Amino acid sequence: SQTIHQWPVTLVQPVGSPLSLECTVEGTSNPNLYWYRQAAGRGLQLLFYSVGIGQISSEVPQNLSASRPQDRQFILSSKKLLLSDSGFYLCAWRRGYGYTFGSGTRLTVV
Amino acid sequence: GEDVEQSLFLSVREGDSSVINCTYTDSSSTYLYWYKQEPGAGLQLLTYIFSNMDMKQDQRLTVLLNKKDKHLSLRIADTQTGDSAIYFCAEDPDDKIIFGKGTRLHILP
Repeated sequence: SQTIHQWPVTLVQPVGSPLSLECTVEGTSNPNLYWYRQAAGRGLQLLFYSVGIGQISSEVPQNLSASRPQDRQFILSSKKLLLSDSGFYLCAWRRGYGYTFGSGTRLTVV
Repeated sequence: GEDVEQSLFLSVREGDSSVINCTYTDSSSTYLYWYKQEPGAGLQLLTYIFSNMDMKQDQRLTVLLNKKDKHLSLRIADTQTGDSAIYFCAEDPDDKIIFGKGTRLHILP
């Protein structure tokens, strides 16, 4: 079966610390992968998407970056977190019609 | 440009119908979606409609699409307490999906 995994589930990090969020997909190959952020009181903002290994498209300029080292692995990173990076981060993959989302990572930057 | 607009809040009495409205801008979207997000959880695909359809019904859910006005609606019949959630409208131009800010549906007893 096709599943998507995200970890960690929750994270509290100090300002200026690095970040690495991981997303993996099982049961499919060459998926389109996405990172979204949901900030408090705001909608879902598309951050990055990838249509293949090493291919990353950035939607919003920021201090975050994404990488796709393997076909079914998508990583969201930051070298130095800002308070404004707090939010709920969701990974998703596209399966024909519709997107399947991971359960999300709640990041709090303090 | 890409923009999806929807109202932020809706309160409905239990047993009544809920209607959540949405407008989108990109007429090239192949599908239009409704996602549901329960508290603290990720997004769940609720239903979708192909862009050449006007209506889709799935049990208590009815989706209406007006392509001329770029208007999408979701009707939930016999609204129940378990329907309390945030509902996101979304369009999918190119290889990415664009969401509205979400409508928080509150169920009144």
